[in-house]
Amino acid sequence: DIQLTQSPSFLSASVGDRVTITCRASQGISSYLAWYQQKPGKGPNLLIYDASTLQSGVPSRFRGSGSGTEFTLTVSSLQPEDFATYYCQQVNSYPLTFGGGTKVEI
Amino acid sequence: EVQLVESGGGLVQPGGSLRLSCAASGLIVNRNFMTWVRQAPGKGLEWLSLIDSSGRTYYADSVKGRFSISRDNSKNTLVLQMDSLRSDDTAVYYCARASYIYGLKSFDSWGQGTLVTVSS
Repeated sequence: DIQLTQSPSFLSASVGDRVTITCRASQGISSYLAWYQQKPGKGPNLLIYDASTLQSGVPSRFRGSGSGTEFTLTVSSLQPEDFATYYCQQVNSYPLTFGGGTKVEI
Repeated sequence: EVQLVESGGGLVQPGGSLRLSCAASGLIVNRNFMTWVRQAPGKGLEWLSLIDSSGRTYYADSVKGRFSISRDNSKNTLVLQMDSLRSDDTAVYYCARASYIYGLKSFDSWGQGTLVTVSS
């Protein structure tokens, strides 16, 4: 099984900050990686797929990069609505797996 | 617009069974890849199962042999039959559409979730 390790687990930031979340895969997954945002009490919301393709309707301040085993999600200027938990997911092979999550808080 | 609405959650005793449904609108379930994901209280996301448009099914080891994914085409509904439930199955269960374009891409539409509590 492919393990995904996200870092950090918690991130304290302020509005306007640039934040970066890292996701490392236990083996190469090419670009078969997606990123999700989840707010309390809600289902996840897709942000990025294919490691760097922005889902329709997602603000351009979100950017994904990487391939192989190391990936990053960057928010260029954090907005109040961006305080949430973020998950990476590999769709390279079954069983599909998620990272442990990164909670972005004030 | 795609809408997915889960139902069927509730309180069940250990060893019991539960059947979850996910009613879809804006998409045809049997023409899509559909999946179930759960989230235990205060924990992260765990993928459980996927059924592709051909009807092939895939499971996480944690639920293989106990859970079964299927489709009710007449109701345009995704189903998760859960047997031999354990306390660690307690979670919010989400259904989602899995985007497939020359390969699996992501889970691009999600329901609001239904809570399953396994307890005596």
